[in-house]
Amino acid sequence: QKEVEQNSGPLSVPEGAIASLNCTYSDRGSQSFFWYRQYSGKSPELIMSIYSNGDKEDGRFTAQLNKASQYVSLLIRDSQPSDSATYLCAVTNQAGTALIFGKGTTLSVSS
Amino acid sequence: EPEVTQTPSHQVTQMGQEVILRCVPISNHLYFYWYRQILGQKVEFLVSFYNNEISEKSEIFDDQFSVERPDGSNFTLKIRSTKLEDSAMYFCASSVGGRNTEAFFGQGTRLTVV
Repeated sequence: QKEVEQNSGPLSVPEGAIASLNCTYSDRGSQSFFWYRQYSGKSPELIMSIYSNGDKEDGRFTAQLNKASQYVSLLIRDSQPSDSATYLCAVTNQAGTALIFGKGTTLSVSS
Repeated sequence: EPEVTQTPSHQVTQMGQEVILRCVPISNHLYFYWYRQILGQKVEFLVSFYNNEISEKSEIFDDQFSVERPDGSNFTLKIRSTKLEDSAMYFCASSVGGRNTEAFFGQGTRLTVV
C-alpha cells in the first residue's frame, strides 16, 4: 500500500512568520509532487507542483523535494490569516495515472 | 479562468438508489478523474479516464461504480446501488496530460445516502 504521510497538526504560527509543512512518501517510483490547499468544506486547490530535486519558489510559497529521502516540504513565508487551511501533499503513482494524498496538515495563522 | 464544474452541489438519495454525478472538465484537458473524501478523512482516488476508457481504478471503484463521457463536454460517475458508506464528497478533476501534469479539482458534490 503506497502511503503519503503528513503531520496532522494543527500547526500554529503568528502572522508574518514562516510556516513549514512536511510530507514523506513511500513509493520510490513517484515522479510528480503537489501541494493543495483545502479550506473547510471546499475542494482541493492546487498551489504548487514540483518534479525534480531542489527548491521551487512561487511568490510566498517554496516547495522542496528530496527524492533520495522521499521527502517533500512546503514553506509559506509571511504567513497570513487567510493561509489558515488544511494543506494536502499529493504524489503520483508510478504510472502517473492517480494522485495519492496525505491526510493533510491543518495550519492556523493568528493575527 | 477555466474551471472544472460539478453538478449537483448536494445530492441526497435513498440507500439502494442509483445516482449520477456530473462534471464538466476544463475544455482542453484530456485526462479526467474522480476522487472522494469521506468527512474527516483523506482524499481518495477512485478512477482515471483517458481516450474514452478507464486508465486506472482503485479498489474502491468496484462493480457498483461506472464512468462515462456521454458527449464532448460531460464526464459522469454513476453509483448503481448506493450504500450508507458511499456518503462523501465526490470531486471531479482534470488535467491536460497524464504523468507530470497538474490536476485541477471541481467544487465537489456532497452525496448523502439515507
